[in-house]
Amino acid sequence: AQSVAQPEDQVNVAEGNPLTVKCTYSVSGNPYLFWYVQYPNRGLQFLLKYITGDNLVKGSYGFEAEFNKSQTSFHLKKPSALVSDSALYFCAVRDVGTGRRALTFGSGTRLQVQP
Amino acid sequence: EAQVTQNPRYLITVTGKKLTVTCSQNMNHEYMSWYRQDPGLGLRQIYYSMNVEVTDKGDVPEGYKVSRKEKRNFPLILESPSPNQTSLYFCASSFSENLLEQYFGPGTRLTVT
Repeated sequence: AQSVAQPEDQVNVAEGNPLTVKCTYSVSGNPYLFWYVQYPNRGLQFLLKYITGDNLVKGSYGFEAEFNKSQTSFHLKKPSALVSDSALYFCAVRDVGTGRRALTFGSGTRLQVQP
Repeated sequence: EAQVTQNPRYLITVTGKKLTVTCSQNMNHEYMSWYRQDPGLGLRQIYYSMNVEVTDKGDVPEGYKVSRKEKRNFPLILESPSPNQTSLYFCASSFSENLLEQYFGPGTRLTVT
């Protein structure tokens, strides 16, 4: 079974400071990992993905994420937060080894960037 | 403009009254999916479709039906809605079953009284 955990319901950071939103996953095979962002009253938007290759992946809006196989983590990061980054962030996983053609999403982390 | 559209955006109905939420995509995507979003639970998949006439259950399919008669459309049907189906529903599509990037609709907020 594939699962993902986002241990923080909310992350608060001051504008200009670095931010990290945590995600850990569990799969039986190899993972495809994703981050999506949801702004108020909108659908989810794709930010970035890890399929294979470099452990550090870069995505939209200056976000990046680091894949750590030994810690089964895929934390989202940004060097300098903007107020406009305030939104709900979802981590998602697909276990490629099972052949299941579906993503499992975490419960979401609300990012609040204070001016 | 590439997009996924859903209708209606908001719906209040009563227990037992059949309803359909439509979903359409204009990107010629093969894969389409329905999710529900509930506070603290994230998104849970209801049903998905890998192509026309090919559908399968997700994690929470009870009380829902879907059909995929055309590639662009993937309606969600609640034959006899109940209050526990009050939720925010999202349709999504992807070029292929690899799900390398999903495009989401704007959501439908359903209230069943």
